[in-house]
Amino acid sequence: AQTVTQSQPEMSVQEAETVTLSCTYDTSESDYYLFWYKQPPSRQMILVIRQEAYKQQNATENRFSVNFQKAAKSFSLKISDSQLGDAAMYFCAVRGGSQGNLIFGKGTKLSVKP
Amino acid sequence: EAGVAQSPRYKIIEKRQSVAFWCNPISGHATLYWYQQILGQGPKLLIQFQNNGVVDDSQLPKDRFSAERLKGVDSTLKIQPAKLEDSAVYLCASSLILGSSGNTIYFGEGSWLTVV
Repeated sequence: AQTVTQSQPEMSVQEAETVTLSCTYDTSESDYYLFWYKQPPSRQMILVIRQEAYKQQNATENRFSVNFQKAAKSFSLKISDSQLGDAAMYFCAVRGGSQGNLIFGKGTKLSVKP
Repeated sequence: EAGVAQSPRYKIIEKRQSVAFWCNPISGHATLYWYQQILGQGPKLLIQFQNNGVVDDSQLPKDRFSAERLKGVDSTLKIQPAKLEDSAVYLCASSLILGSSGNTIYFGEGSWLTVV
């Protein structure tokens, strides 16, 4: 079984500042992938960043980067130079095994203050 | 490239009525998923198809929910009869092939269901 825990129901950040969203996971799969999805009020899930578990190098996509600690099963998301458009729900997810279903955490609501 | 299409976007029905949601995945995507997202929670998988075959429907309440993907392309999710607790957003998603966890899963905009 796979589980994902997001311990921060809500976070707030000042525009242009940096914020880190936490995520821990558990999986028995040896080959798995980790994802952060953004969900604005429209409710469409938008992929922010993905990390292959076999890669030690942390993934980066423009202002978004992750801190992947495999031994600790931790996968945090750092948003630099926060923008008003970053305000949304952020979901951490793990995907592994032959069926490849995504398992989501409960999400973190991010607010960005001007 | 066109994304995952879903309809209707919004639906309000009374309990015990029926409703159907339609999904058209990204062209060429063999795997199709239906997720249920209740307010305040993360999405939960209801059913997963590979082409027109069911891969996983272990969390689908089969006494009231059904889904099909007859030609291996678009899919329909039906609820009959609906209960109040079925109020949620129903997200359809697709990805290239089964067995490759690295493939990104792409989501549609969702179908919002309110049962009154």
